Amino acid sequence: DAKTTQPNSMESNEEEPVHLPCNHSTISGTDYIHWYRQLPSQGPEYVIHGLTSNVNNRMASLAIAEDRKSSTLILHRATLRDAAVYYCILRDVLNDYKLSFGAGTTVTVRA
Amino acid sequence: AAGVIQSPRHLIKEKRETATLKCYPIPRHDTVYWYQQGPGQDPQFLISFYEKMQSDKGSIPDRFSAQQFSDYHSELNMSSLELGDSALYFCASSLGPDRMNTEAFFGQGTRLTVV
Repeated sequence: DAKTTQPNSMESNEEEPVHLPCNHSTISGTDYIHWYRQLPSQGPEYVIHGLTSNVNNRMASLAIAEDRKSSTLILHRATLRDAAVYYCILRDVLNDYKLSFGAGTTVTVRA
Repeated sequence: AAGVIQSPRHLIKEKRETATLKCYPIPRHDTVYWYQQGPGQDPQFLISFYEKMQSDKGSIPDRFSAQQFSDYHSELNMSSLELGDSALYFCASSLGPDRMNTEAFFGQGTRLTVV
């Protein structure tokens, strides 16, 4: 399985942007980059995914490096409800019947 | 909108007993995944099913088995329970991996406590 590397933790102030980096130097051409988050005492929740181009949705933006060996999840204005563990996951959407969670980034938002 | 439903939400069993966890996927989803999450740990993939056939297998103990039924619901059967099996068990569902919208939706989990 292709692996990802994320920082253990990040802190942010409320209303400020949060940039969560993810390194995936062994990514293959058919791997999509997925982000999930897990709020305390809840199941993981889908955030965003992309292949090559930057992606935006109502929750976040995903910036993908040109060589695809790294990506950054951007929360534009952090709220207290964004405090969670964020997971960057590579998934081959043609062959991958699992979603493997590695060590994510714990985001703390200060009021 | 309908979500993934897991039952029961909480379960207490004694060592060496058997437990059955159930998962009802979102309608029209053909893929189901099972995860185990111990205290302070990240979710660990156990097993998945696509169109009622086992599609991938992770770190699932031999004491555990699972299946997906004709109505696409899935059951995780756990026998000879051990104290270390105490964890949150999540089920997720999605469309098959050959579709572009492959986001997985997770249930609220079943908290299993083995005493």
